[in-house]
Amino acid sequence: EVQLVESGGGLVQPGGSLRLSCAASGFTLSNYWMHWVRQAPGKGLVWISRINSDGSSTPYADSVKGRFTISRDNAKNMLYLQMNSLRAEDTAVYYCAREEVAVSLDYWGQGTPVTVSS
Amino acid sequence: DIVLTQSPGTLSVSPGERATLSCRTSQTVSSAYLAWYQQKPGQAPRLLIYGASSRATGIPDRFSGSGSGTDFTLTINRLEPEDFAVYYCQQYGRSRYTFGQGTRLEIK
Repeated sequence: EVQLVESGGGLVQPGGSLRLSCAASGFTLSNYWMHWVRQAPGKGLVWISRINSDGSSTPYADSVKGRFTISRDNAKNMLYLQMNSLRAEDTAVYYCAREEVAVSLDYWGQGTPVTVSS
Repeated sequence: DIVLTQSPGTLSVSPGERATLSCRTSQTVSSAYLAWYQQKPGQAPRLLIYGASSRATGIPDRFSGSGSGTDFTLTINRLEPEDFAVYYCQQYGRSRYTFGQGTRLEIK
């Protein structure tokens, strides 16, 4: 069974940093591109970033470019999102998701909440 | 970036009826790269349709997708109580993955 489990969310002050993790199981992580998507309270889905299979391609949404870094450790079946210089508007539930080629995001984690507030 | 505009924002339909949700893109999108997701309160999104018209694994055939170019449609026939949720379209390609703002489908 495919499972994605996010962790690392919490309360952080503006300007602070947080590292999110996504543990993958039930499939071979190295065969898939992976994504982070966020959802602010009461708002819609916003794509944040994607990483290809070997980590060599990592596009970002303009809103997080230069502040967030996506990475992966295929040997550990882990996906990460390093978030720096956090702002109040980064407050959201952060989901990791798997991309199946030509199918889009076929499996999602349950999300981890991030609150940026003083 | 390609902007996806969904309409209506909220749709009220009775159980057993049909719901038609629209997604319009600001630029032509390959049909191969248009998806629809369902999200219920407190849950992660679930993939319904990919490639504009292909149902994802386990999705009932009352869900169907159509469209091409800049206009895409999600149709839900014979609405069941569990179908009332928020629906998002998404385009994927060229390293950009944009979502529409969502359509809330509520019970009339």
